[in-house]
Order: sequence, then C-alpha cells, then structure tokens
Amino acid sequence: DAKTTQPPSMDCAEGRAANLPCNHSTISGNEYVYWYRQIHSQGPQYIIHGLKNNETNEMASLIITEDRKSSTLILPHATLRDTAVYYCIVRGYNDMRFGAGTRLTVKP
Amino acid sequence: GAVVSQHPSWVICKSGTSVKIECRSLDFQATTMFWYRQFPKQSLMLMATSNEGSKATYEQGVEKDKFLINHASLTLSTLTVTSAHPEDSSFYICSAPDRAGATNEKLFFGSGTQLSVL
Repeated sequence: DAKTTQPPSMDCAEGRAANLPCNHSTISGNEYVYWYRQIHSQGPQYIIHGLKNNETNEMASLIITEDRKSSTLILPHATLRDTAVYYCIVRGYNDMRFGAGTRLTVKP
Repeated sequence: GAVVSQHPSWVICKSGTSVKIECRSLDFQATTMFWYRQFPKQSLMLMATSNEGSKATYEQGVEKDKFLINHASLTLSTLTVTSAHPEDSSFYICSAPDRAGATNEKLFFGSGTQLSVL
C-alpha cells in the first residue's frame, strides 16, 4: 500500500502559487519523498525529490517538515499546462508505489 | 534527462491472443524496471519489478503466468499479456531508475501502452 495521503483534488488560479500537501507520517529515516505528475494518458513526469532539506529546481519547490511527516510541493506560478494529477511518493528500496494523487486544476 | 521508450503506444487485439509490450532505456542501463497498470481515473498500480538476468518479482494478486516479464538485457524489458481478455484492457506503463539500488535515484517512465482487448 502507498505510504502517503493527499487531497483528491485542488483548484488554483492561473499565475498564482499552487501548494499541494502530502502526509507521510510513517516515513523511515532513509526514505526519500518524490513528486511526479501525470497528464492525461501519458507516463508520469518527475518533478522533484528530497530527503529532509527543502529543495528547489526549475519546476517546483519541495518543503519537508522538520519531523518529515509531511511535505508540500509548490508550483510558484501555475499555468494551465500544470493541470495534472500530482503524486507524492515515499521511496523505499526497489519500491515505488503510487497513492491516489491530487488532481490539480489550474483555472484561467 | 534519461529516456525510457515504450512500444507500442496503443494496441487492439482479439480476445485470446497475446500482446507484447517493450520497454527500453535509451541512454542508460537499467538493471531494474517497474511495470504498472492503470485503469481510467485511477492511480498507477505496481504489477511487478523486473530484474535483468533473474526472475521478476510480482505484486500480490498479479498472475505470473498471465503477465510474462522478461528482462534479458540491461536496456530492454518486455511484458507479454498472454491470452488477453477484455478485463485486461488497461494502460500499461514501464519505468526505470537511473541508478538502481539507490533510494534517491530518479525514476523515468515510458509513455505508456493503451491495450484494448475486443
């Protein structure tokens, strides 16, 4: 079973920041938090991952709480093309199971 | 980033026939590949982990004899759906980590195969 919990859906206005939460209260010390997104009928796309420090790349920022039990993916300026299902995954050795994800809809 | 190529993109077959799906890592070696199945409006479900040179590891409830996995080289894994039936119709996706054995590697996905069994 997936080790994460996410809200099923969220809306965001175009140009605003989209903040997607994820709970992973049973995460182990050596497990990373990954974020992927899937646009309809395509393979998932890697966004970002982290262990305990906050991470930022050209796509997004990842904020992980100090106790590592939850994290937030931030898309700083959402566009209509960011509409997708976003998956938060806790990565164990040879284990990449997906939860239900959050369907993000960016509205004009 | 690394590229995983999956073919075919879609396939329609008659009930009772077998279908082979290929997954190739184009610019890196993949000792491990993951196979997923996805039904409409649902999340990806891990079916099996394919390991180069050894038997695949199947998830509970996935029939080994129905979903044959072969990982004969470091760049190719295949999934064969044997004696396909309409309930096997689904979106099948493969993926490979760029550094197998590490928990911080990136996982790259193929574009998926939409299987429709008539």
